[in-house]
Amino acid sequence: DAGVTQSPTHLIKTRGQQVTLRCSPKSGHDTVSWYQQALGQGPQFIFQYYEEEERQRGNFPDRFSGHQFPNYSSELNVNALLLGDSALYLCASSPRMNTEAFFGQGTRLTVV
Amino acid sequence: GEDVEQSLFLSVREGDSSVINCTYTDSSSTYLYWYKQEPGAGLQLLTYIFSNMDMKQDQRLTVLLNKKDKHLSLRIADTQTGDSAIYFCAESIPYGNNRLAFGKGNQVVVIP
Repeated sequence: DAGVTQSPTHLIKTRGQQVTLRCSPKSGHDTVSWYQQALGQGPQFIFQYYEEEERQRGNFPDRFSGHQFPNYSSELNVNALLLGDSALYLCASSPRMNTEAFFGQGTRLTVV
Repeated sequence: GEDVEQSLFLSVREGDSSVINCTYTDSSSTYLYWYKQEPGAGLQLLTYIFSNMDMKQDQRLTVLLNKKDKHLSLRIADTQTGDSAIYFCAESIPYGNNRLAFGKGNQVVVIP
């Protein structure tokens, strides 16, 4: 079992550009959540996907959007990148209504 | 509301016990978690406790929950150099289906 995998591991983008991050959940998991972790901070919840729909959303602007595919993998898209979007983006997966959320290694996004 | 607080830094000698503390504000949280993050890595789920429990022990880890004071602690017995990391406590948001609110983390440095 490969666990939760994220790609790419590192990414550098320019202000104003758009970025897509990808996540493959752990086998058997159908719920995917995305978190943003700024340097020196704890992760902040962005949104959660289940059955290919966004089910919950944290306090993030509409520039942050996502998608879940029939195989449960997910993408996080960020438009019009700002310097402040520089962070580690973490994907977590879990079976629905289960207590345990497992995290991937994250994608380190740097906006210059 | 979602507000988890943690102290920032702990230095401990190898072989000693270390205790990390956390306070949370949402008394209706159902589960409380401890995650470990090593440099450049994602989050590793260490343990979790259901809100109707006072204590949970898992090998070298002991979790204590004081629901009245909304206080959570993690004790690591016989601390090893591999325990050097940042430790995050997190609470599950009620009806949030594994949506987690994290503290800012506590860095533990183990001195050989």
